[in-house]
This record gives sequence, structure tokens and C-alpha cells, in this order.
Amino acid sequence: EDKVVQSPLSLVVHEGDTVTLNCSYEVTNFRSLLWYKQEKKAPTFLFMLTSSGIEKKSGRLSSILDKKELFSILNITATQTGDSAVYLCAVLGNEKLTFGTGTRLTIIP
Amino acid sequence: EPEVTQTPSHQVTQMGQEVILRCVPISNHLYFYWYRQILGQKVEFLVSFYNNEISEKSEIFDDQFSVERPDGSNFTLKIRSTKLEDSAMYFCASSLTRLNTQETQYFGPGTRLLVL
Repeated sequence: EDKVVQSPLSLVVHEGDTVTLNCSYEVTNFRSLLWYKQEKKAPTFLFMLTSSGIEKKSGRLSSILDKKELFSILNITATQTGDSAVYLCAVLGNEKLTFGTGTRLTIIP
Repeated sequence: EPEVTQTPSHQVTQMGQEVILRCVPISNHLYFYWYRQILGQKVEFLVSFYNNEISEKSEIFDDQFSVERPDGSNFTLKIRSTKLEDSAMYFCASSLTRLNTQETQYFGPGTRLLVL
């Protein structure tokens, strides 16, 4: 059975801090790893990672994948209150995404 | 920007009743999915659908569930006889092609189902 584990489960930091969210996985027929941000409702897409060692960047967010060690990290620098959300990691196996439980990030002004 | 839409946003039903959750995927997308998220738990895959048939389903998607694309735009999830444990947020998603290393899914806003 495919498995995705995220850590920490919850993180509270002050505005301006940098955070690192972790995702490890075990999946049959790995194709890609995705990060989503979930605020009130639907997950919104952040990154898709398929190759090891290549950093993807979008503004203050960046992510990298290690296919040998089977994990990924999501970094957020200079955090803002608008970054408060649940960050979901999901792994694409065959025809479906398997999600982790998410990391709840809270940014204190 | 095109988006996936879902109706209703909230539904309350009695145990044993049938419910139909509706989704309108992005118009040129061909692959459709349902996920659910029980409150406080992770998002779980239910089913994927392509070319008018189910392409994959999880163990959650048992005989009480069915999916249909009744016309060119809607994609529905029917729960035949709801149970208390069906209470969850149900997300529809769609993608242009089969999921691969270049393509991802786009999620709708969800329908929150509460079974009493």
C-alpha cells in the first residue's frame, strides 16, 4: 500500500521566520510528488517534482526531491500570515494521488 | 481562469438516504476524479473516470458509490444509502490528460456532506 508521511504535523512560527516541511513516501511505480496548499477548502497546486536534486521555486516557496532517500522538503522563507494553511504532500503512483495527513502551519504576526 | 465547480457546497441528509454530488470539470479536461476528506483526516482517493468508465477505484469506493457523466459537462458521485461515516468533504478534480509527470489535477471547492 502506498504511504506518504509528513512532518511535523503542526508548526507555529513568527512572521518572517523560515520553515521547512518534510514529506517521505513509499509508493509503487513512483511518477511524481506534488505539494498543495489547503486553506479553507480545496487544495491548490504548488509544485510537481519528478527529478531528484532539481529545486523548484516560486517566490518565497521552494521544494526539492530526493528519489534515493524517498523524501521531499518544502521551504518557505520570510513567512507571512497569508502562508498559514495546511500543506499537503501527495505522491502520484499509477492513476491516483496518495496524500499525506498534511502539516498545519500557523504564522503569528 | 477555468476552474472546477461543485454543487451543492453543503448537504445535510438523513442516514439511509441517497445523495448526488455534482461537479463540472474544466471544459476540455478528459479525466475526472473524486476524493474525500473526513474532518481532521487526510485526503483519500475514491475513483478515477475516463472515457465513460472507471479507470481506478480505491477500497473505499464500494457498491454504495457510483459515478456518472450524464451529459457533456457534469460528473456526479452518487451515494446510494448514506452512513454516518460518509460525512466528509468530497472533492472533485479533473485533468487534461492521464496523470503523468507533466500533468496535475485541479480540484473543485468541495461539497461538505453531513449525514445525521
